[in-house]
Amino acid sequence: AQSVTQLGSHVSVSEGALVLLRCNYSSSVPPYLFWYVQYPNQGLQLLLKYTSAATLVKGINGFEAEFKKSETSFHLTKPSAHMSDAAEYFCAVRVNFGNEKLTFGTGTRLTIIP
Amino acid sequence: NAGVTQTPKFQVLKTGQSMTLQCAQDMNHEYMSWYRQDPGMGLRLIHYSVGAGITDQGEVPNGYNVSRSTTEDFPLRLLSAAPSQTSVYFCASRRKRGDTGELFFGEGSRLTVL
Repeated sequence: AQSVTQLGSHVSVSEGALVLLRCNYSSSVPPYLFWYVQYPNQGLQLLLKYTSAATLVKGINGFEAEFKKSETSFHLTKPSAHMSDAAEYFCAVRVNFGNEKLTFGTGTRLTIIP
Repeated sequence: NAGVTQTPKFQVLKTGQSMTLQCAQDMNHEYMSWYRQDPGMGLRLIHYSVGAGITDQGEVPNGYNVSRSTTEDFPLRLLSAAPSQTSVYFCASRRKRGDTGELFFGEGSRLTVL
């Protein structure tokens, strides 16, 4: 079975501050990991993905995430928050070996304080 | 580029009524899926398809039917709507079965069951 846990359903940071959104996964086999972003009244867009290549993954809009197998984590970071980063962020996991199902976490709503 | 198109965007039903949510993609994607999004629960997979004529159940399939007669279309049918099916529904597609590519999402269909 595969699952993800996102710690913190709401996170607030000041503009210009570090953004850290936490994601821990559970998987019995090496996983594929993803971060998606959802802006109000829109569908989800891919931010970045880990597929067993480099453990530090860079995505769009200055976001990056590091795969840490020992901690079963895939936390999302951005050095300096911008007002346009306000959105809901979802971590997702999919195991390989032909499993088609992508399992999402419950989401973290990011608020940016001016 | 239309991408993934969902119709209708909004729908209100009475308990017991039936309806079909339409999903079409113009990217020749093999894989298509339906998710529902509920507050605090993230996105949960309802049904998915890896090609025309092939469908399978996801995490929450009860009360929903799907079929895939063409590569482009993947409708979701509610046979007898219940208030518990009030949700936002997203259709998503991916280029090929088994790959690690991005899921492309539609803009969502907001369904209210009274």
